[in-house]
Amino acid sequence: SSELTQDPAVSVALGQTVRITCQGDSLRSYSATWYQQKPGQAPVFVIYGKNHRPSGIPDRFSGSSSGNTASLTITGAQAEDEADYYCHSRDSSGYRLVFGGGTKLTVL
Amino acid sequence: QVQLQESGPGLVKPSQTLSLTCTVSGGSISSGSYYWSWIRQPAGKGLEWIGRIYPSGSTNYNPSLQSRVTISVDTSKNQLSLKLSSVTAADTAVYFCARGLVGSTWRGDAFDIWGQGTMVTVSS
Repeated sequence: SSELTQDPAVSVALGQTVRITCQGDSLRSYSATWYQQKPGQAPVFVIYGKNHRPSGIPDRFSGSSSGNTASLTITGAQAEDEADYYCHSRDSSGYRLVFGGGTKLTVL
Repeated sequence: QVQLQESGPGLVKPSQTLSLTCTVSGGSISSGSYYWSWIRQPAGKGLEWIGRIYPSGSTNYNPSLQSRVTISVDTSKNQLSLKLSSVTAADTAVYFCARGLVGSTWRGDAFDIWGQGTMVTVSS
């Protein structure tokens, strides 16, 4: 079992806002990084350090954190945002890394 | 631009050792700013971190795999390697190598560059 918990699936209407969450005790101490993975492709990081976007990631992607929960928000979801999203951080020891179970985002 | 490319046998027999290589191009694997990880993903399932190696040679492994995993670096070839012993069907997955960084102004990690992944099937 993962030390980071995500909802298995979330859906959003085209153009609307969706929040994907990740819960874990280690998130009280460490920031989550978020990855987008489309079928047959390697993951791509979209948010790191709570709310930093790598170059090339649209500004509709944002991150936030409160207590033991990190969130990825997509404001104005597009059809191309349909993908699996994974959070990633350290485990409770701080020395090892863990991924959340992933959230499948469907854009309706 | 740094690129990663995994390679190795696509089929491994049960109880044998899985060996993969990740070739780094466009940059040095010895760069002190980064570490290198292996991550795997069984078909239709989530990502599982296997372990990492720092430029110093120190390693951290997933506790669930630690007894079977060895990650090493060949700086002369700019390659990262993974060895996973005593494999079973449960080790069948796509294996990714990735470059990791530790936040400088934030507490955490990120994998900023990934290889395309290589499928490994464990079967007799």
